[in-house]
Amino acid sequence: EIVMTQTPLSSPVTLGQPASISCRSSQTLVHSDGNTYLSWLQQRPGQPPRLLIYHISNRLSGVPDRFSGSGAGTDFTLKISRVEVEDVGVYYCMQATQFPITFGGGTKVEIK
Amino acid sequence: QVQLVESGGGVVQPGRSLRLSCAASGFTFNYYAIHWVRRAPGKGLEWVAVVSFDGNNKYYADSVKGRFTISRDNSKNTLYLQMNSLRAEDTAVYYCARGGRLIRGSPFDIWGQGTMVTVSS
Repeated sequence: EIVMTQTPLSSPVTLGQPASISCRSSQTLVHSDGNTYLSWLQQRPGQPPRLLIYHISNRLSGVPDRFSGSGAGTDFTLKISRVEVEDVGVYYCMQATQFPITFGGGTKVEIK
Repeated sequence: QVQLVESGGGVVQPGRSLRLSCAASGFTFNYYAIHWVRRAPGKGLEWVAVVSFDGNNKYYADSVKGRFTISRDNSKNTLYLQMNSLRAEDTAVYYCARGGRLIRGSPFDIWGQGTMVTVSS
């Protein structure tokens, strides 16, 4: 099983300031087909998860461009360029390269 | 609009069974693999199972293998999760989520609102 480790656990951020979340996998997420199946999801309080970014850096349609993803191999990052009130919630990285699909433990983004 | 709606959750005693349903609308259901994901109280997301677009291929998390069965009825645009021998640690909100045409690799782009399952005596 691929273990996904997220840091930090919690990220208090001032409105308008950037936030960064790191995700590390226990083995490479590069599939034999050459793709890297790493996604980022947001879960606001009381809401279901929502896909933000897939294949490391592709933003889903409708996701604000203040969200960006980067990385390769085993190390990945989600950045929010300027945190807004609506960004409060828990963020998860997820790998779908290998079964079982696994999630990071989550990072709680809150306003300072 | 494109949506998934779960139902069937509730309170059940340990060792008993429950069947969850996930009704799809607004998209071609039989084109996509569909997953179950759960979130236990105070915990993070845990992937549970997936079924391929045609129902012929299935994968499970080790924590539910042998107890849970995922299935789908494409004529009814509905996904199911039969949960047997339930344990306290199965208590969670259960979500269905749309994958892609292929059973592996695709991101989960559509999620239902979830249904709560509580296993308690």
